[in-house]
Amino acid sequence: QSVLTQPPSVSGAPGQTVTISCTGNSSNIGAGYDVHWYQQLPGTAPKFLIYGNTNRPSGVPDRFSGSKSGTSASLAITGLQAEDEADYYCQSYDSSLSGLNYVFGTGTKVTV
Amino acid sequence: QVQLQESGPGLVKPSQTLSLTCTVSGGSISSGTYYWNWIRQPAGKGLEWIGRIHTSGSTNSNPSLKSRVTILIDTSKNQFSLRLTSVTASDTAVYYCARENEVRGFVFDYWGQGALVTVSS
Repeated sequence: QSVLTQPPSVSGAPGQTVTISCTGNSSNIGAGYDVHWYQQLPGTAPKFLIYGNTNRPSGVPDRFSGSKSGTSASLAITGLQAEDEADYYCQSYDSSLSGLNYVFGTGTKVTV
Repeated sequence: QVQLQESGPGLVKPSQTLSLTCTVSGGSISSGTYYWNWIRQPAGKGLEWIGRIHTSGSTNSNPSLKSRVTILIDTSKNQFSLRLTSVTASDTAVYYCARENEVRGFVFDYWGQGALVTVSS
């Protein structure tokens, strides 16, 4: 059971902007821990898209951007393209249980 | 370019032990700035972090799985492995190995292609 909540699905027409939210609490995002975002194309392994809340690795188009505020984070995709159709997951650290615990969001399917 | 590849049995009987190995190529598993992780994904569901190991041998595991998880590293072979004991049908999933990059905020920056493990008699 994930402690990071995402909308199950979002959709948009080509060229539009979609935003995916990732809602946590004071034990994870709200505690100041970094949020990372992953893209999972159908039938493939996840690929990291955004790290450290807002940073984009080389090779990731600048259409993808991340932000974080309070107990939530967001991934925005501007100028939506057909190739962006995939599942997206946020990920952070959670301190509510003893020991290290990385948690993923529930996942959001983006339909173009 | 770093590559990770999972290997191991695709079918495990209930109550037995699931064993997988991840072979790392294109880079040394002994670098101190990386951790080596296992993550799983049941069909049609989300991702679950299982645990990680550092080249020093220190390990961390998901509290919900900790009692059943063992992760080992073999630097001579550039491999690390997962053992999950007392498996049930709920452990059926695609298992991924992944590199965690300390310099980039502990993001999972390289992933294997995944190995499907089915628990069934």
